[in-house]
Amino acid sequence: KAGVTQTPRYLIKTRGQQVTLSCSPISGHRSVSWYQQTPGQGLQFLFEYFSETQRNKGNFPGRFSGRQFSNSRSEMNVSTLELGDSALYLCASSLALAGRSYEQYFGPGTRLTVT
Amino acid sequence: ILNVEQSPQSLHVQEGDSTNFTCSFPSSNFYALHWYRWETAKSPEALFVMTLNGDEKKKGRISATLNTKEGYSYLYIKGSQPEDSATYLCAFRGGTSYGKLTFGQGTILTVHP
Repeated sequence: KAGVTQTPRYLIKTRGQQVTLSCSPISGHRSVSWYQQTPGQGLQFLFEYFSETQRNKGNFPGRFSGRQFSNSRSEMNVSTLELGDSALYLCASSLALAGRSYEQYFGPGTRLTVT
Repeated sequence: ILNVEQSPQSLHVQEGDSTNFTCSFPSSNFYALHWYRWETAKSPEALFVMTLNGDEKKKGRISATLNTKEGYSYLYIKGSQPEDSATYLCAFRGGTSYGKLTFGQGTILTVHP
């Protein structure tokens, strides 16, 4: 079974620009969660999508948004980039069936650098 | 604000040593505790998902225990090998968190040959 894939793997953007990152979950997984990893803050939850609906949102400004498509692929968008948005962005997919907690399987991440 | 704490921050051991580290999490509204291993330049790898108080899980030389009443979990590595060198992360899931995991800062383990 193919793992979680993320594109692009690396990205350099300028302050003020916007960026879209993509995540393709493991086949059959309906939940996709996004995380930001920075050296000082560790892994921080951004949001989770399940069946095209956002179920949970972390404590990030409205510049961070996402969506999920009917095939469970997800995108996240960051508008008006700031230097502090430079980070590794990871997505994770999960079966997310009701009644138990399933492993989240992580992709390789997108390394975003804002200059 | 949810606090998930891991200790120690880093650990250096010799090959063959056994080691353990701790994850502390809120004891209320508990749903699950996840452990991950994250090697440099790779994706975090799921080790265990633990849900019941008293749970013990094992995978090869790695095992974990869970105490939800007092809010802690231990991860043990028996006979550490250089390939065990990685950052070990625990993540807490609350009762209404769905896919939201709150991660600790991790324990960086270095195993010297």
